[in-house]
Amino acid sequence: AQSVTQLDSHVSVSEGTPVLLRCNYSSSYSPSLFWYVQHPNKGLQLLLKYTSAATLVKGINGFEAEFKKSETSFHLTKPSAHMSDAAEYFCVVSLNAGGTSYGKLTFGQGTILTVHP
Amino acid sequence: DTGVSQDPRHKITKRGQNVTFRCDPISEHNRLYWYRQTLGQGPEFLTYFQNEAQLEKSRLLSDRFSAERPKGSFSTLEIQRTEQGDSAMYLCASSPSMGAQKKSSYNEQFFGPGTRLTVL
Repeated sequence: AQSVTQLDSHVSVSEGTPVLLRCNYSSSYSPSLFWYVQHPNKGLQLLLKYTSAATLVKGINGFEAEFKKSETSFHLTKPSAHMSDAAEYFCVVSLNAGGTSYGKLTFGQGTILTVHP
Repeated sequence: DTGVSQDPRHKITKRGQNVTFRCDPISEHNRLYWYRQTLGQGPEFLTYFQNEAQLEKSRLLSDRFSAERPKGSFSTLEIQRTEQGDSAMYLCASSPSMGAQKKSSYNEQFFGPGTRLTVL
């Protein structure tokens, strides 16, 4: 079984300040982990992915995440928030495709990021 | 545009009516997924196709739901006798086959814009 817990439903930051969106996962096997972003009235867009290579993963738009197996965490960070970062962010886990997992994604509940001028 | 497309983008129907949604995946992708997203929640897995074979269905997919991918290309999701609880965003995603994926793209799914269903 696999599950994802996003620890904050809403995060509010000022433009230019750091962003931290927290995610803990549970997986019986070695997982792939993703962060997706969803802007209003737009489709889900992949920000970054961890697939058992480097534990620090860099994504688009200056976002990065660190896989910490001992803490079962995959927190998303950005050094300096921009107004355009305001959106909903989803932490996602997938068992590596193969066997019976078929690579289906399990999403967290989402974190809404608000950026104030 | 060579991304995943879905049609219609919005559907309003009355309770008890049948509705059908279409998804066109990225052309070289043989894996296709349907998810449902209700307000304030993350998307939930509904079903998975590899080519034309439906290999997995979630318990969320009641008998009123049926999905097909007849030629291994586009897929349809039909809901019969709609209920107000079916109101949600229905998302389609596609992914290359395992053999076609570079390791760096492993399990990455590309999402369409979704079909928003409102049942009155």
